[in-house]
Amino acid sequence: ETGVTQTPRHLVMGMTNKKSLKCEQHLGHNAMYWYKQSAKKPLELMFVYSLEERVENNSVPSRFSPECPNSSHLFLHLHTLQPEDSALYLCASSQDQQGSPFFGPGTRLTVL
Amino acid sequence: GDSVTQMEGPVTLSEEAFLTINCTYTATGYPSLFWYVQYPGEGLQLLLKATKADDKGSNKGFEATYRKETTSFHLEKGSVQVSDSAVYFCALSDRTTSGTYKYIFGTGTRLKVLA
Repeated sequence: ETGVTQTPRHLVMGMTNKKSLKCEQHLGHNAMYWYKQSAKKPLELMFVYSLEERVENNSVPSRFSPECPNSSHLFLHLHTLQPEDSALYLCASSQDQQGSPFFGPGTRLTVL
Repeated sequence: GDSVTQMEGPVTLSEEAFLTINCTYTATGYPSLFWYVQYPGEGLQLLLKATKADDKGSNKGFEATYRKETTSFHLEKGSVQVSDSAVYFCALSDRTTSGTYKYIFGTGTRLKVLA
């Protein structure tokens, strides 16, 4: 595997479900990110991790819970989501916080 | 705060037509500017960048010039192909007061090229 991979690529869940999104980067980068992409809205930065420490949380509701067990892996745990949370969730990594983010293919999430 | 504004799409062109996608920005500092491209079913890929005023970024026939006087970074290509059909995002990177860097993305412009 190369670059940034995300699983699953598609996820449909009910509002009472608990699920997790997984991201893995094979680039030796030190920073990882979660972004939310919704139609006709700018990309929204959700969380930033640098050297496995969360350095930014952009007022994201607590129903989204990130986890970074090591510099190569990033998870987004989902619990009691709302239909408006349906979007494409993109993971990205960069050499450091200054570097250009390198994006994964995203997970298309639908909340029923 | 910092922001990026790009033209709303979709932009529909015939093959070999000239492409311009407008992008303007507001920033408190001296940002770096980027264009990313997103092909169907994929994540965003860095297309080109410019780090200071009057710099020209170029890649795969696409170009954009960092214009400080007009705070713009318009994307151009002389002759588009069907394979250029994608969503294009303008973005900036600026240093925050705490010393970290923040990337701000536009809403994206969908380009459709017809054969």
